[in-house]
Amino acid sequence: DVKVTQSSRYLVKRTGEKVFLECVQDMDHENMFWYRQDPGLGLRLIYFSYDVKMKEKGDIPEGYSVSREKKERFSLILESASTNQTSMYLCASSSYYETQYFGPGTRLLVL
Amino acid sequence: AQTVTQSQPEMSVQEAETVTLSCTYDTSESDYYLFWYKQPPSRQMILVIRQEAYKQQNATENRFSVNFQKAAKSFSLKISDSQLGDAAMYFCAYRSGDSGTYKYIFGTGTRLKVLA
Repeated sequence: DVKVTQSSRYLVKRTGEKVFLECVQDMDHENMFWYRQDPGLGLRLIYFSYDVKMKEKGDIPEGYSVSREKKERFSLILESASTNQTSMYLCASSSYYETQYFGPGTRLLVL
Repeated sequence: AQTVTQSQPEMSVQEAETVTLSCTYDTSESDYYLFWYKQPPSRQMILVIRQEAYKQQNATENRFSVNFQKAAKSFSLKISDSQLGDAAMYFCAYRSGDSGTYKYIFGTGTRLKVLA
């Protein structure tokens, strides 16, 4: 079974803090994705990566950066957390033409 | 740009009954993939069913089936013999068949309640 894990299920941070969300997949997938999920807005793509050290902006990259130093690991970084970044963050991975597999999500609260 | 629309924010179904969730999409492409994902409360999002646009036959997975109308750009999900475990958010998603594209586009979701 494909496994996608995320470093935290729940996280509480203060405004201005640097926040790291980590995602690990165990299926040797080329593609990895970070989404933000908000009620009424569905899933919005923040960044994705199609190979190690390769990344592309999604639809809402502002305020976020990513890092992919190893194939199995994809990190989302909030350089200076703000209250409007309070949300559910979902990581996903897929091989080239296959279905995306999702992690359990990280619910982030920025105070 | 492609869009995915789920016009039903919430639906209810009686246990053992059948329910259909709607999804429409807009694209100028002829080659693409469509998906339905299920997100149970506080649990991981999982794939329910997948449809390749070039296939005329509607995809089926046990109690889940789709009605894929390519000309109408409609992709509805039918759940037969609904069970309490079917209660979840359901997301419709689109992915281009273009080999250089990795993006999925998701609808806003439909929350399904199953009544005992």
